[in-house]
Amino acid sequence: SAVISQKPSRDICQRGTSLTIQCQVDSQVTMMFWYRQQPGQSLTLIATANQGSEATYESGFVIDKFPISRPNLTFSTLTVSNMSPEDSSIYLCSVVPRGQGGGPNTEAFFGQGTRLTVV
Amino acid sequence: AQSVAQPEDQVNVAEGNPLTVKCTYSVSGNPYLFWYVQYPNRGLQFLLKYITGDNLVKGSYGFEAEFNKSQTSFHLKKPSALVSDSALYFCAVRDPNTNAGKSTFGDGTTLTVKP
Repeated sequence: SAVISQKPSRDICQRGTSLTIQCQVDSQVTMMFWYRQQPGQSLTLIATANQGSEATYESGFVIDKFPISRPNLTFSTLTVSNMSPEDSSIYLCSVVPRGQGGGPNTEAFFGQGTRLTVV
Repeated sequence: AQSVAQPEDQVNVAEGNPLTVKCTYSVSGNPYLFWYVQYPNRGLQFLLKYITGDNLVKGSYGFEAEFNKSQTSFHLKKPSALVSDSALYFCAVRDPNTNAGKSTFGDGTTLTVKP
């Protein structure tokens, strides 16, 4: 299992500014992911945060807008840059610990989320 | 590419009645399948998973799900619903062949259990 501390839990930001969200895991994990979720809607994967290399972004998401750091196996940050009201959403950090045999056959664990409102 | 469909946005049941929340998937090989629940203003919690073996899997809070390969389905069930089961439920699929750990989530189904 894994316990994730994500902060801030919520923030209200001015358009044009940036917000950095932190994700701290209580154990070393290789696979860490950042999702976006509109309230009551599905999760959309933004990127996979790789330790020691550049993050891998999904279609529709770019590094300039959502830069990610992964300095070690227990920590990652996601920055939402040059924010606009369309960026208002819940941002979730998630990890998938290695299962038996070292494969990704375990469930994902999630932080409590960061509820971002851009005004 | 992998995908998940939850055909019902909303499921309403009376307390004590059985409930089913539907999920179908598409993945190139044998899938890893998961159900998560999200209570209001809280993070996602894991309910159960299918990795391999017995097609009927049991999970937390009395929930179970049956993997049906021929119908590419993984429906969530509970014999007797509780009001406290009311929440948003997500089905997710992962392709083990990629070894990337990436999950694709369905759009979610809101379950409402009425007293």
